[in-house]
Amino acid sequence: EPEVTQTPSHQVTQMGQEVILRCVPISNHLYFYWYRQILGQKVEFLVSFYNNEISEKSEIFDDQFSVERPDGSNFTLKIRSTKLEDSAMYFCATAPVGPEQYFGPGTRLTVT
Amino acid sequence: DQQVKQNSPSLSVQEGRISILNCDYTNSMFDYFLWYKKYPAEGPTFLISISSIKDKNEDGRFTVFLNKSAKHLSLHIVPSQPGDSAVYFCAALGGANNLFFGTGTRLTVIP
Repeated sequence: EPEVTQTPSHQVTQMGQEVILRCVPISNHLYFYWYRQILGQKVEFLVSFYNNEISEKSEIFDDQFSVERPDGSNFTLKIRSTKLEDSAMYFCATAPVGPEQYFGPGTRLTVT
Repeated sequence: DQQVKQNSPSLSVQEGRISILNCDYTNSMFDYFLWYKKYPAEGPTFLISISSIKDKNEDGRFTVFLNKSAKHLSLHIVPSQPGDSAVYFCAALGGANNLFFGTGTRLTVIP
């Protein structure tokens, strides 16, 4: 069964550094999302992406964040200058035409 | 942001019995709801969904009930199995196809 994959599984970075989290969507899916879950809190929406552009973003998704689909397969989330409060699990999700979203296993980002 | 709430952080059920997980929402504009299951160190796995035009949707051992007037939905698992032990998240679909998640309920099925 096809699945969403994410790399790396765990990323440790120093405050102020840039990180890029990668996702490989399910091949026939058209809609792409990033969510995050801070330890002990709920899963929160960050951004949605369709047809090579952002369709919606939350208040969390400020100028430090960006997304792109550089080669038509990978879907990336970049955090330009990480802060301690960016430490969280980051989940990529993809969807076909319907509303059900399929999640990857997540990347645990630790900012020290 | 408390638009989707799961008021029970945990639930324990004997194997073979029914598990009932509850979820409440506040935004009457929500018209599509989903349940996800999550194991440690994995992403949420889609289980079952329901549109607001229905009040029940069934898939094998899983049934979701929706009460629009009460803004309440529930997931029934019967019979419960030890492999069902996980955290269950209720989610509502927003207007931009973004999901609003509840805080989750940890289900433990006791063999």
